[in-house]
Amino acid sequence: GQNIDQPTEMTATEGAIVQINCTYQTSGFNGLFWYQQHAGEAPTFLSYNVLDGLEEKGRFSSFLSRSKGYSYLLLKELQMKDSASYLCAVRDSNYQLIWGAGTKLIIKP
Amino acid sequence: IAGITQAPTSQILAAGRRMTLRCTQDMRHNAMYWYRQDLGLGLRLIHYSNTAGTTGKGEVPDGYSVSRANTDDFPLTLASAVPSQTSVYFCASSGLAGNNEQFFGPGTRLTVL
Repeated sequence: GQNIDQPTEMTATEGAIVQINCTYQTSGFNGLFWYQQHAGEAPTFLSYNVLDGLEEKGRFSSFLSRSKGYSYLLLKELQMKDSASYLCAVRDSNYQLIWGAGTKLIIKP
Repeated sequence: IAGITQAPTSQILAAGRRMTLRCTQDMRHNAMYWYRQDLGLGLRLIHYSNTAGTTGKGEVPDGYSVSRANTDDFPLTLASAVPSQTSVYFCASSGLAGNNEQFFGPGTRLTVL
């Protein structure tokens, strides 16, 4: 079966750094996505990795290791507005997205 | 219209009733999707359409049907609603360029009593 695992909830302090991990087992791999979803809102695209390595975009970075079936999202200089759920999704061999349940990130002052 | 719109925003529905959730996009995206999101679970694909005139079944298609008469619209119909269909429904679309990331509508919160 296909499976995406990520922690249910994490807590971090404003101004700090947090790493959200995602492991996956899917039938085929055609890229990994990270989305941000604020409570009551739609998911919005954050990052995309298809090759191994780190992709940096401002305060957010995403890393991929295809051999390990592993990715992480790194958020730096945390702000209160970063309190949200972060969704990991893998595009499988059918070019459909398989989604993790999401990690709820709580930022404390 | 800017992006993807969904209607209604929320709905309370009696079990056994028929309901159509509407989705319209103005980005000329070929592919469109319907997901449901339930607490503690990831987004689950109900149906998808890779291009106008074609549709496909996702992970949880039972009890739902879709049509894609044109590029912009992708309605989702519940023929006879049941309480287990209580959920938040998101419509999404993606193009063929770049990462093909999916863009999401604001969602419809549906409660079936």
